[in-house]
Amino acid sequence: GQQLNQSPQSMFIQEGEDVSMNCTSSSIFNTWLWYKQDPGEGPVLLIALYKAGELTSNGRLTAQFGITRKDSFLNISASIPSDVGIYFCAGLNRDDKIIFGKGTRLHILP
Amino acid sequence: DSGVTQTPKHLITATGQRVTLRCSPRSGDLSVYWYQQSLDQGLQFLIQYYNGEERAKGNILERFSAQQFPDLHSELNLSSLELGDSALYFCASSVDGPPTDTQYFGPGTRLTVL
Repeated sequence: GQQLNQSPQSMFIQEGEDVSMNCTSSSIFNTWLWYKQDPGEGPVLLIALYKAGELTSNGRLTAQFGITRKDSFLNISASIPSDVGIYFCAGLNRDDKIIFGKGTRLHILP
Repeated sequence: DSGVTQTPKHLITATGQRVTLRCSPRSGDLSVYWYQQSLDQGLQFLIQYYNGEERAKGNILERFSAQQFPDLHSELNLSSLELGDSALYFCASSVDGPPTDTQYFGPGTRLTVL
């Protein structure tokens, strides 16, 4: 079946650094979604992208829908301690089925 | 707090047993989604209900079934449980049917099969 390859699997950064993560697939998706999951909680939607090439920001977060519709990236600028968590990408395929990446675990070093 | 509630928070049971997980969507939301999150498979979409009717099906096993009741709460039934069914089960709700609608996730039910 369709898969999303999300990388990196985990990141260790210093507070204040910028972060970049991405999702790629061999298949086309019509919508890309980025979620964050805190420990013991369900995922929370950060950004939704609906058109190829779309670049959308939500505060310090910026995400883009790749031109080929097979990839997306998420950037976090000037990271802060509350950014710690697991970030998931998800794509909606032509059948409107949602498929999730395996997640990027973000750690911020003191 | 997303407004989606799930019970129970934790569930420990034995192989071969049957359990029911319950979800109450946010007030006014008509769609309910069920997901399974395990360490090796990540987050997997199981099934969606919209206003009482099944709308979309994902990777849901035949041993699993779900329904949405007239008051819009939903239940996920897992039967003939296997060790591999141990996972976090999330429910999410959205206002309308299309999966492009923002989904609000509940806190999850952690199922442990011994």
